[in-house]
Amino acid sequence: NAGVTQTPKFRILKIGQSMTLQCTQDMNHNYMYWYRQDPGMGLKLIYYSVGAGITDKGEVPNGYNVSRSTTEDFPLRLELAAPSQTSVYFCASSYRAEGLSGNTIYFGEGSWLTVV
Amino acid sequence: QQPVQSPQAVILREGEDAVINCSSSKALYSVHWYRQKHGEAPVFLMILLKGGEQKGHDKISASFNEKKQQSSLYLTASQLSYSGTYFCGTEGPNTGGFKTIFGAGTRLFVKA
Repeated sequence: NAGVTQTPKFRILKIGQSMTLQCTQDMNHNYMYWYRQDPGMGLKLIYYSVGAGITDKGEVPNGYNVSRSTTEDFPLRLELAAPSQTSVYFCASSYRAEGLSGNTIYFGEGSWLTVV
Repeated sequence: QQPVQSPQAVILREGEDAVINCSSSKALYSVHWYRQKHGEAPVFLMILLKGGEQKGHDKISASFNEKKQQSSLYLTASQLSYSGTYFCGTEGPNTGGFKTIFGAGTRLFVKA
C-alpha cells in the first residue's frame, strides 16, 4: 500500500529559486491537501483540492501555487523561494462523500525544505 | 479560524491520566484527533461527527460537545508510547466549508 507519496524528502533551495513538490495518492481520494509545519509548530493549510480541476486557498497560500489535473496528483509549486518558506511540507488526501463532513486524512511522510 | 488547544504541553508519569481540550469560536461540523511522533507524519486517532458523541479505543477516548463547540481527548493510564504531539482538526463554518484546520498542538511527554 503506497498511500500518499511525496518527493523529494529533503531539499535545500537558494533564495529566489523555484521548485515543485510532487504528491501522488493511489487511494482514489477526491480531496487532497498541502500543509506546512514550521519547527515546533502546528499544521497550516496552504491549498486544498476537492477534485480534479478544482483548487482553493487555505490559511497560508502566499508564495505557492497548485494544480490538480488528475485525481492522483497534486503538485505544490514554490516560486521565488524565501527563508520564511523553510518548513516541513505534508501532502494529504481523504475521501469525502457528497454533502458529508468528517473524513480520515491520510498524510504523506513529509518533505523537509530549507531555503538559504 | 484555528481551533484553540489546551494545555500546550503535558508531562506525565506512566499510568497517569491526561485531558487535552480543543475549542472553536463557532459551531463545528466535526472534530478529528491526530498524534504525531517527532520526525513523522500525523496519524489519525479518531473522528467525531455528532454533538454528544463519544468514541474510544484502548485507553484513548474523545468526546464532542457540539453546543460548547469543543472536544476533549482523554488518555487514561498513559503509556510511554503515548508521547508525541496531539492535534485536533476541525471542520465548520469558520473554516469556510469542508477543509480541515488544525490547532497548534499539545505536546505530551510520558516518562517512566
